Amino acid sequence: EPEVTQTPSHQVTQMGQEVILRCVPISNHLYFYWYRQILGQKVEFLVSFYNNEISEKSEIFDDQFSVERPDGSNFTLKIRSTKLEDSAMYFCASSLIWTSGSADEQFFGPGTRLTVL
Amino acid sequence: QQQVKQSPQSLIVQKGGISIINCAYENTAFDYFPWYQQFPGKGPALLIAIRPDVSEKKEGRFTISFNKSAKQFSLHIMDSQPGDSATYFCAASKGTDKLIFGTGTRLQVFP
Repeated sequence: EPEVTQTPSHQVTQMGQEVILRCVPISNHLYFYWYRQILGQKVEFLVSFYNNEISEKSEIFDDQFSVERPDGSNFTLKIRSTKLEDSAMYFCASSLIWTSGSADEQFFGPGTRLTVL
Repeated sequence: QQQVKQSPQSLIVQKGGISIINCAYENTAFDYFPWYQQFPGKGPALLIAIRPDVSEKKEGRFTISFNKSAKQFSLHIMDSQPGDSATYFCAASKGTDKLIFGTGTRLQVFP
């Protein structure tokens, strides 16, 4: 069964450093998302991406964040200068788009645990 | 308008019992209501989902009940098993928009 994969599974970084989280969405999916989950809290939307551009972003997704689909298969989330409060699980998700324009279910990857020291 | 409220926060059920988790939403434009199951250290996995044109959907031991007029939907887990012990999130979205998640319910099923 096709699945969303994410690397690394765990990333530890110093405050102020840049990190890049990588995702490989399911191959025929066209809509991509990043979410994050602070330990013990609910899953929060960060950004959605379609047709090589951001469709929507949340208040959390400030100028320190960026997304890219560099090569047609990978989907990356970059945090330019990490803060302590960026420590969380980051989940990538992807979905198929029906011809009606509505989205199929979102499939989530296993997540990257980011720890900022 | 964008919130999804979920209750209870935690639930303890005996093996074989029925687990019921409730969610309420405000935005009447939402047209997709999934339930996700999450085990510790793992990503959310889609369990079952419903669209507002039906009032109930059943898949095995899992049933979603949907009340459009009350803007509420619930997950029923019949014959709950210890392997069902996990955190359950309801969510809602409109079209291709982001999922708005509830706050989660930690279910523990004791043998």
